[in-house]
Amino acid sequence: EAGVTQFPSHSVIEKGQTVTLRCDPISGHDNLYWYRRVMGKEIKFLLHFVKESKQDESGMPNNRFLAERTGGTYSTLKVQPAELEDSGVYFCASSHGRWIGYTFGSGTRLTVV
Amino acid sequence: SQKIEQNSEALNIQEGKTATLTCNYTNYSPAYLQWYRQDPGRGPVFLLLIRENEKEKRKERLKVTFDTTLKQSLFHITASQPADSATYLCALGGSARQLTFGSGTQLTVLP
Repeated sequence: EAGVTQFPSHSVIEKGQTVTLRCDPISGHDNLYWYRRVMGKEIKFLLHFVKESKQDESGMPNNRFLAERTGGTYSTLKVQPAELEDSGVYFCASSHGRWIGYTFGSGTRLTVV
Repeated sequence: SQKIEQNSEALNIQEGKTATLTCNYTNYSPAYLQWYRQDPGRGPVFLLLIRENEKEKRKERLKVTFDTTLKQSLFHITASQPADSATYLCALGGSARQLTFGSGTQLTVLP
């Protein structure tokens, strides 16, 4: 089966611009997660979708971040406007059930300059 | 606040030996614990999951233990190989589905 796919793999944008990250989970996985790792820190949870519904968005840093999962398939994470501290690697993961490990994508490395 | 500590940032061992990685946590009562492997430029790859009521899990050369009294998990790789060189992450999960990750241990297996 195909894995979790993330686009783009790298993005360099200027402060104040908008960036949209995309994640295509494994087909049939209802659970989709976004995580990020900023420089020198641990991987941190951002939010969790079950199908098209936001189950938990407690990790979203502020209202400049907007995640969507229309139709319960792929998901997008938009940062608008981007700030320097948003730089890091954004990971998407999907899972089929609770007692099964997550499948992560390779991540999108976002650099805000 | 919740805190996860993984032993030394870097661990070097000789090929063929058993690597033992430690994950300690405080201020947390996880329902399960997962171990992931991460290679440079890649996302974490799931290895093993152990629930709070399980003491030990095995998968091929991998073994994980979970002691909720000590608040500690040990991850063992037996007969280690240079291909096992990577960063290993422990992650705790609770009633909510979000995982809390440790900072990782970079393992190098020397030929």
